[in-house]
Amino acid sequence: GDSVTQMEGPVTLSEEAFLTINCTYTATGYPSLFWYVQYPGEGLQLLLKATKADDKGSNKGFEATYRKETTSFHLEKGSVQVSDSAVYFCALLQGGSEKLVFGKGTKLTVNP
Amino acid sequence: NAGVTQTPKFQVLKTGQSMTLQCAQDMNHNSMYWYRQDPGMGLRLIYYSASEGTTDKGEVPNGYNVSRLNKREFSLRLESAAPSQTSVYFCASSLRTPGDEQYFGPGTRLTVT
Repeated sequence: GDSVTQMEGPVTLSEEAFLTINCTYTATGYPSLFWYVQYPGEGLQLLLKATKADDKGSNKGFEATYRKETTSFHLEKGSVQVSDSAVYFCALLQGGSEKLVFGKGTKLTVNP
Repeated sequence: NAGVTQTPKFQVLKTGQSMTLQCAQDMNHNSMYWYRQDPGMGLRLIYYSASEGTTDKGEVPNGYNVSRLNKREFSLRLESAAPSQTSVYFCASSLRTPGDEQYFGPGTRLTVT
Protein backbone atom coordinates (compact mmCIF):
# COMPACT_ATOMS: atom_id res chain seq x y z
CA GLY A 1 0.00 0.00 0.00
CA ASP A 2 0.89 3.66 -0.10
CA SER A 3 3.28 4.96 2.52
CA VAL A 4 5.27 8.03 3.52
CA THR A 5 8.63 8.01 5.27
CA GLN A 6 10.04 11.11 6.93
CA MET A 7 13.32 11.68 8.64
CA GLU A 8 13.24 10.87 12.32
CA GLY A 9 13.36 13.75 14.72
CA PRO A 10 13.69 15.64 16.78
CA VAL A 11 15.58 18.28 14.86
CA THR A 12 17.12 21.17 16.79
CA LEU A 13 18.48 24.22 14.96
CA SER A 14 19.63 27.70 15.79
CA GLU A 15 17.72 30.69 14.46
CA GLU A 16 18.63 31.55 10.84
CA ALA A 17 19.93 28.04 10.12
CA PHE A 18 18.98 26.15 6.95
CA LEU A 19 16.32 23.49 7.33
CA THR A 20 15.77 20.30 5.36
CA ILE A 21 13.26 17.64 6.39
CA ASN A 22 13.39 14.63 4.11
CA CYS A 23 10.25 12.92 2.88
CA THR A 24 9.98 9.99 0.49
CA TYR A 25 6.89 8.13 -0.57
CA THR A 26 5.75 4.85 -2.04
CA ALA A 27 2.63 5.02 -4.16
CA THR A 28 1.17 3.87 -7.42
CA GLY A 29 0.10 6.47 -9.91
CA TYR A 30 0.47 10.19 -9.33
CA PRO A 31 -0.55 11.22 -5.83
CA SER A 32 -0.80 14.76 -4.54
CA LEU A 33 1.78 15.59 -1.87
CA PHE A 34 1.40 17.82 1.18
CA TRP A 35 3.30 19.24 4.11
CA TYR A 36 1.23 19.95 7.18
CA VAL A 37 2.46 21.78 10.30
CA GLN A 38 1.22 21.33 13.86
CA TYR A 39 2.06 24.06 16.36
CA PRO A 40 2.01 23.12 20.05
CA GLY A 41 -1.51 22.44 21.31
CA GLU A 42 -3.13 22.97 17.93
CA GLY A 43 -4.52 20.97 15.03
CA LEU A 44 -2.74 20.47 11.73
CA GLN A 45 -2.56 23.25 9.16
CA LEU A 46 -1.67 22.89 5.53
CA LEU A 47 1.76 24.40 4.90
CA LEU A 48 2.15 23.68 1.18
CA LYS A 49 1.20 21.18 -1.48
CA ALA A 50 2.07 19.95 -4.98
CA THR A 51 -0.25 18.05 -7.24
CA LYS A 52 2.01 16.87 -10.05
CA ALA A 53 5.63 16.02 -10.81
CA ASP A 54 8.08 18.95 -10.79
CA ASP A 55 5.55 21.23 -9.09
CA LYS A 56 7.05 23.37 -6.32
CA GLY A 57 4.87 24.23 -3.35
CA SER A 58 5.85 27.23 -1.27
CA ASN A 59 4.50 29.16 1.71
CA LYS A 60 5.96 31.26 4.55
CA GLY A 61 9.50 30.79 3.20
CA PHE A 62 9.15 26.99 3.07
CA GLU A 63 9.50 25.12 -0.22
CA ALA A 64 9.17 21.54 -1.44
CA THR A 65 9.47 20.13 -4.96
CA TYR A 66 7.59 17.03 -6.15
CA ARG A 67 10.31 14.75 -7.54
CA LYS A 68 8.81 11.70 -9.19
CA GLU A 69 12.18 10.25 -10.21
CA THR A 70 13.30 10.04 -6.58
CA THR A 71 9.76 9.76 -5.09
CA SER A 72 10.60 12.61 -2.75
CA PHE A 73 9.08 15.83 -1.43
CA HIS A 74 11.72 17.31 0.88
CA LEU A 75 10.83 20.40 2.90
CA GLU A 76 13.35 23.26 2.96
CA LYS A 77 13.63 26.71 4.46
CA GLY A 78 16.61 28.99 4.07
CA SER A 79 16.48 30.70 7.46
CA VAL A 80 14.36 29.30 10.28
CA GLN A 81 12.84 31.35 13.08
CA VAL A 82 11.90 30.44 16.63
CA SER A 83 8.26 30.64 15.55
CA ASP A 84 8.84 27.73 13.13
CA SER A 85 9.15 25.35 16.08
CA ALA A 86 6.45 22.74 15.44
CA VAL A 87 5.86 19.20 14.22
CA TYR A 88 5.91 18.79 10.43
CA PHE A 89 4.03 16.02 8.64
CA CYS A 90 4.49 14.88 5.07
CA ALA A 91 1.41 13.30 3.48
CA LEU A 92 0.10 11.95 0.21
CA LEU A 93 -3.35 11.62 -1.31
CA GLN A 94 -4.07 9.30 -4.19
CA GLY A 95 -6.36 10.60 -6.90
CA GLY A 96 -9.89 9.37 -6.23
CA SER A 97 -9.04 8.28 -2.71
CA GLU A 98 -10.39 9.73 0.53
CA LYS A 99 -7.44 8.56 2.55
CA LEU A 100 -4.62 10.97 3.35
CA VAL A 101 -1.53 8.93 4.22
CA PHE A 102 0.75 10.62 6.77
CA GLY A 103 4.34 10.20 7.73
CA LYS A 104 5.06 9.96 11.45
CA GLY A 105 6.02 13.60 11.83
CA THR A 106 9.28 15.43 12.53
CA LYS A 107 9.55 17.71 15.53
CA LEU A 108 11.54 20.87 14.90
CA THR A 109 12.83 23.08 17.69
CA VAL A 110 14.50 26.37 16.80
CA ASN A 111 16.57 28.05 19.51
CA PRO A 112 17.27 31.78 19.61
CA ASN B 1 -15.59 31.47 9.52
CA ALA B 2 -15.05 29.06 12.39
CA GLY B 3 -13.71 26.31 10.09
CA VAL B 4 -13.73 22.93 11.84
CA THR B 5 -14.79 22.91 15.48
CA GLN B 6 -14.58 20.05 17.96
CA THR B 7 -16.03 19.50 21.41
CA PRO B 8 -14.94 18.81 24.04
CA LYS B 9 -11.28 19.92 24.12
CA PHE B 10 -10.39 17.57 26.96
CA GLN B 11 -12.08 14.51 28.45
CA VAL B 12 -11.21 11.93 31.06
CA LEU B 13 -13.16 8.67 31.07
CA LYS B 14 -13.06 5.54 33.14
CA THR B 15 -12.71 2.19 31.37
CA GLY B 16 -16.11 1.06 30.10
CA GLN B 17 -17.69 4.50 29.95
CA SER B 18 -19.09 5.84 26.72
CA MET B 19 -18.89 9.24 25.10
CA THR B 20 -19.41 11.07 21.83
CA LEU B 21 -16.96 13.49 20.28
CA GLN B 22 -18.63 16.19 18.23
CA CYS B 23 -17.32 17.81 15.07
CA ALA B 24 -18.82 20.48 12.85
CA GLN B 25 -17.60 22.39 9.79
CA ASP B 26 -19.00 25.52 8.20
CA MET B 27 -17.15 25.36 4.87
CA ASN B 28 -19.81 23.35 3.00
CA HIS B 29 -17.33 20.51 2.58
CA ASN B 30 -18.46 17.15 1.28
CA SER B 31 -16.04 14.88 3.13
CA MET B 32 -15.30 14.58 6.82
CA TYR B 33 -12.77 12.46 8.71
CA TRP B 34 -11.80 11.29 12.17
CA TYR B 35 -8.15 10.65 13.03
CA ARG B 36 -6.30 9.69 16.14
CA GLN B 37 -2.79 10.90 16.89
CA ASP B 38 -0.47 8.87 19.09
CA PRO B 39 3.19 9.59 19.88
CA GLY B 40 5.50 8.26 17.16
CA MET B 41 2.56 7.04 15.05
CA GLY B 42 1.56 10.08 13.06
CA LEU B 43 -2.14 10.35 12.33
CA ARG B 44 -4.25 7.30 11.63
CA LEU B 45 -7.66 7.42 9.99
CA ILE B 46 -10.47 5.95 12.07
CA TYR B 47 -13.54 6.59 9.88
CA TYR B 48 -14.50 8.92 7.12
CA SER B 49 -17.64 10.11 5.38
CA ALA B 50 -17.52 11.00 1.70
CA SER B 51 -20.97 12.54 1.76
CA GLU B 52 -24.01 12.96 3.96
CA GLY B 53 -25.44 9.56 4.79
CA THR B 54 -22.32 7.54 4.01
CA THR B 55 -19.51 6.38 6.27
CA ASP B 56 -16.53 4.08 5.72
CA LYS B 57 -13.87 2.47 7.85
CA GLY B 58 -10.35 3.76 7.89
CA GLU B 59 -7.19 2.17 9.21
CA VAL B 60 -8.20 1.75 12.88
CA PRO B 61 -12.02 1.57 13.23
CA ASN B 62 -12.33 -1.03 15.99
CA GLY B 63 -14.00 0.28 19.15
CA TYR B 64 -15.53 3.31 17.41
CA ASN B 65 -18.75 4.24 15.65
CA VAL B 66 -19.57 7.33 13.66
CA SER B 67 -22.62 9.26 12.51
CA ARG B 68 -22.79 11.78 9.70
CA LEU B 69 -25.73 13.68 11.10
CA ASN B 70 -25.95 16.15 8.22
CA LYS B 71 -23.51 17.83 5.87
CA ARG B 72 -22.01 19.92 8.69
CA GLU B 73 -21.67 17.42 11.52
CA PHE B 74 -19.77 14.17 11.98
CA SER B 75 -19.63 12.55 15.42
CA LEU B 76 -17.38 9.83 16.81
CA ARG B 77 -18.68 7.52 19.54
CA LEU B 78 -16.78 5.31 21.93
CA GLU B 79 -19.28 2.79 23.29
CA SER B 80 -17.02 1.24 25.93
CA ALA B 81 -13.80 3.16 26.36
CA ALA B 82 -10.51 1.32 26.84
CA PRO B 83 -7.10 2.66 27.96
CA SER B 84 -5.80 1.91 24.43
CA GLN B 85 -8.13 4.66 23.20
CA THR B 86 -6.23 7.31 25.13
CA SER B 87 -5.17 9.64 22.34
CA VAL B 88 -5.70 13.00 20.70
CA TYR B 89 -8.59 12.92 18.24
CA PHE B 90 -8.78 15.20 15.24
CA CYS B 91 -11.69 15.85 12.95
CA ALA B 92 -11.05 17.12 9.43
CA SER B 93 -13.02 18.06 6.35
CA SER B 94 -12.36 18.61 2.68
CA LEU B 95 -14.19 19.66 -0.44
CA ARG B 96 -12.87 16.52 -2.13
CA THR B 97 -11.81 17.93 -5.45
CA PRO B 98 -8.62 16.36 -6.85
CA GLY B 99 -5.61 17.36 -4.78
CA ASP B 100 -7.72 19.26 -2.27
CA GLU B 101 -6.35 19.60 1.23
CA GLN B 102 -8.03 18.61 4.45
CA TYR B 103 -8.79 21.20 7.12
CA PHE B 104 -8.33 20.10 10.71
CA GLY B 105 -10.05 20.95 13.96
CA PRO B 106 -8.12 21.80 17.15
CA GLY B 107 -8.40 18.28 18.58
CA THR B 108 -9.84 16.50 21.62
CA ARG B 109 -7.41 15.10 24.17
CA LEU B 110 -8.98 11.95 25.63
CA THR B 111 -7.61 10.02 28.58
CA VAL B 112 -9.09 6.67 29.57
CA THR B 113 -8.11 5.43 33.03
